[in-house]
Amino acid sequence: GAGVSQSPSNKVTEKGKDVELRCDPISGHTALYWYRQSLGQGLEFLIYFQGNSAPDKSGLPSDRFSAERTGGSVSTLTIQRTQQEDSAVYLCASSTGQGGTNEKLFFGSGTQLSVL
Amino acid sequence: QKEVEQDPGPLSVPEGAIVSLNCTYSNSAFQYFMWYRQYSRKGPELLMYTYSSGNKEDGRFTAQVDKSSKYISLFIRDSQPSDSATYLCAMTSISSGSARQLTFGSGTQLTVLP
Repeated sequence: GAGVSQSPSNKVTEKGKDVELRCDPISGHTALYWYRQSLGQGLEFLIYFQGNSAPDKSGLPSDRFSAERTGGSVSTLTIQRTQQEDSAVYLCASSTGQGGTNEKLFFGSGTQLSVL
Repeated sequence: QKEVEQDPGPLSVPEGAIVSLNCTYSNSAFQYFMWYRQYSRKGPELLMYTYSSGNKEDGRFTAQVDKSSKYISLFIRDSQPSDSATYLCAMTSISSGSARQLTFGSGTQLTVLP
């Protein structure tokens, strides 16, 4: 596709339910990132995938959060037993993975998660 | 205290005004600075990237870095309604690392009134 695609764009769920958020990166991009953006907060790093390397999970806020990336392409972020504080916009980004501080991140439009 | 502080606004200016957006930071190791623009219901997009102290210009946009004061700015000249967005600063200390090392500000919401 032309850009990073995320689905769903909006998700409303009840406290305690599990949710899955999907990210389809730009074709050929080896690096994939998940961020969380809460109201009034900056982008909070969650997890980073680079090629076949072990993912950097250091940003995941609790063990209720997990993510996988199948076949080096599509990624799914799963939140188990959702809590109200999980309500936020979840952004996915991909990049060429060549490294360097000016490596350009391409963001999807995000999934707005609301936990009631 | 957050490593990067950014006034959330909202900031509202008339069309044609000069806009100044600012971030301060506490980590003196930060050396690489970026500005992202985020339209409503969209993901951020990289607007400008700079390394050294001083000014970097790109069209109507100027990024300014003052490492001695730990202060960065983004100036928008002749602002347009299409500039209405949230502007996020981001920075890192690592030249060879991935974007994973970026620390973002909370963003300033800008509205340019026609």
